[in-house]
Amino acid sequence: GAVVSQHPSWVICKSGTSVKIECRSLDFQATTMFWYRQFPKQSLMLMATSNEGSKATYEQGVEKDKFLINHASLTLSTLTVTSAHPEDSSFYICSAPGFGQGASEQYFGPGTRLTVT
Amino acid sequence: AQRVTQPEKLLSVFKGAPVELKCNYSYSGSPELFWYVQYSRQRLQLLLRHISRESIKGFTADLNKGETSFHLKKPFAQEEDSAMYYCALSALGGAQKLVFGQGTRLTINP
Repeated sequence: GAVVSQHPSWVICKSGTSVKIECRSLDFQATTMFWYRQFPKQSLMLMATSNEGSKATYEQGVEKDKFLINHASLTLSTLTVTSAHPEDSSFYICSAPGFGQGASEQYFGPGTRLTVT
Repeated sequence: AQRVTQPEKLLSVFKGAPVELKCNYSYSGSPELFWYVQYSRQRLQLLLRHISRESIKGFTADLNKGETSFHLKKPFAQEEDSAMYYCALSALGGAQKLVFGQGTRLTINP
């Protein structure tokens, strides 16, 4: 089956620094990937849609200058949290849609836990 | 606006009892509904989708457009069903972003 990986699985950074999170589709190509954020004991909230070869589409209320998304290839999307602050601490999850008959299914990465101190 | 509501944050039933996890949605277009499951320490994975009309691990869900519901049911719960369940919606047509409900944590007691 389709597999999506994320790196790192967890990261601790100091306030004011930037952190990059990678999302890779391991055995399939993904022209679109999605980035979600999940606070403890809460649901997933879509942050943005990452589009290969074009700009990401951000959801309302998400600062595009703070959460930089780059879809560098058909198998890699990166999310960079710039000038991180403690309130950015969260669980970040990416997903990629399937293909063919499974195009409506999303394959999720394992998530990256970001802690900003 | 798209919205998915799961009224129960927590649901606890005994092994062998029937289970129903509720999901209601609001969407002006043609939706595609999903149930995703997250077992302990595992990633989110698809359980079933309404267009498949299939039963997975004994679970079924029927899309009721009149009541705008997509409740998840299983006649006899098993301990391994304990997990977090999310109802989600996307626009019909594939490769679309998902809107998630708040999730229901299901606990099956022995």
